[in-house]
Amino acid sequence: KAGVTQTPRYLIKTRGQQVTLSCSPISGHRSVSWYQQTPGQGLQFLFEYFSETQRNKGNFPGRFSGRQFSNSRSEMNVSTLELGDSALYLCASSLSTSGNAGELFFGEGSRLTVL
Amino acid sequence: AQSVTQLDSQVPVFEEAPVELRCNYSSSVSVYLFWYVQYPNQGLQLLLKYLSGSTLVKGINGFEAEFNKSQTSFHLRKPSVHISDTAEYFCAVSRVQGAQKLVFGQGTRLTINP
Repeated sequence: KAGVTQTPRYLIKTRGQQVTLSCSPISGHRSVSWYQQTPGQGLQFLFEYFSETQRNKGNFPGRFSGRQFSNSRSEMNVSTLELGDSALYLCASSLSTSGNAGELFFGEGSRLTVL
Repeated sequence: AQSVTQLDSQVPVFEEAPVELRCNYSSSVSVYLFWYVQYPNQGLQLLLKYLSGSTLVKGINGFEAEFNKSQTSFHLRKPSVHISDTAEYFCAVSRVQGAQKLVFGQGTRLTINP
């Protein structure tokens, strides 16, 4: 069974640009969550999607957005990039349908560097 | 709101020695508890979880953790570590009821010396 796949694995952008990251969950998983990992702030929850609806959202500015498609694949977008957006962005999928955390399966992440 | 404190940012140990990674949490509601491991340049992998029942939880790679409700702790232990256990370990909690999101501790970097 294939795991969670994130693309691209590495990317470099400049300030002011925008970026789109993609996540393909494990087959059959309908919940997809996104986390940002930085050395200073650690792992922080961005948002969670279930059946194409954003179910939960963390404390990030509106520049961070996401969506989920009917096949459960998800994308997140960051507009008007800032230096502080440099981070590892992790996607996780889950079977959970109750809204509570069952086991989350993480991808290897997309490492974004903003210059 | 929930919060997680991992009491040690770095833990160096010798190979085949025992190790304990400490985790305390704070929450006004019931929570689930997790330990994840992150190897260099990889995502997170679940080591073990406590949802309910026995307070001693066994996970993969010989790790175990004990949930202590009175001390709000969930310490991770391994009786004998290997070089391959070198990684960063994260303790996390999520609410039993409500939003599906994990709140992570800052992580503990475990370094195994030969």
